[in-house]
Amino acid sequence: SQQGEEDPQALSIQEGENATMNCSYKTSINNLQWYRQNSGICLVHLILIRSNEREKHSGRLRVTLDTSKKSSSLLITASRAADTASYFCALELSNDYKLSFGAGTTVTVRA
Amino acid sequence: EPEVTQTPSHQVTQMGQEVILRCVPISNHLYFYWYRQILGQKVEFLVSFYNNEISEKSEIFDDQFSVERPDGSNFTLKIRSTKLEDSAMYFCASSDRGLGSPLHFGNGTRLTVT
Repeated sequence: SQQGEEDPQALSIQEGENATMNCSYKTSINNLQWYRQNSGICLVHLILIRSNEREKHSGRLRVTLDTSKKSSSLLITASRAADTASYFCALELSNDYKLSFGAGTTVTVRA
Repeated sequence: EPEVTQTPSHQVTQMGQEVILRCVPISNHLYFYWYRQILGQKVEFLVSFYNNEISEKSEIFDDQFSVERPDGSNFTLKIRSTKLEDSAMYFCASSDRGLGSPLHFGNGTRLTVT
């Protein structure tokens, strides 16, 4: 398939804990992006990491990319109840002109 | 912060009817997209649009679908004869540089076909 596959499908953690989710893919990419979706509504862009980058940070978010393993991870540190959402990885493929989304990881942060 | 706006937020229509979903992308953006998400499922690409023409479309985007940029601000998705399986959340997105830049999504239109 030409979209990423997120793992796990669902994650439940306590407030303050870290949350890690992974995205694996099979083809060459130009970049990989992570998006958050609250309550099935708007998708919000979080981070874009290019194929020649290995790690990026944005606030409490850390994204890694290993192109040799064709995988990426998103780490949310010190989680808050407001981080409860679905998180999607999206691939911009090397031979394509669209962004392809995976099925997402649903994260629940318990207070 | 500029945002993508979509109207209506919810549209209910009968099978076989035509619907037009409307989007106002961010004003200086040049690349426009429609995606859809059937409840609880993944976000699926429908079509991308640049320079007043379709750049790419998916298998879902068959002859029943069309897009238009009728003026300098609106971007519309038309479904000519809706089917029950067209029921989904439809998201419009825009970006300033196309490839290699993030997409900015609207809040979506929930289409219910009865």
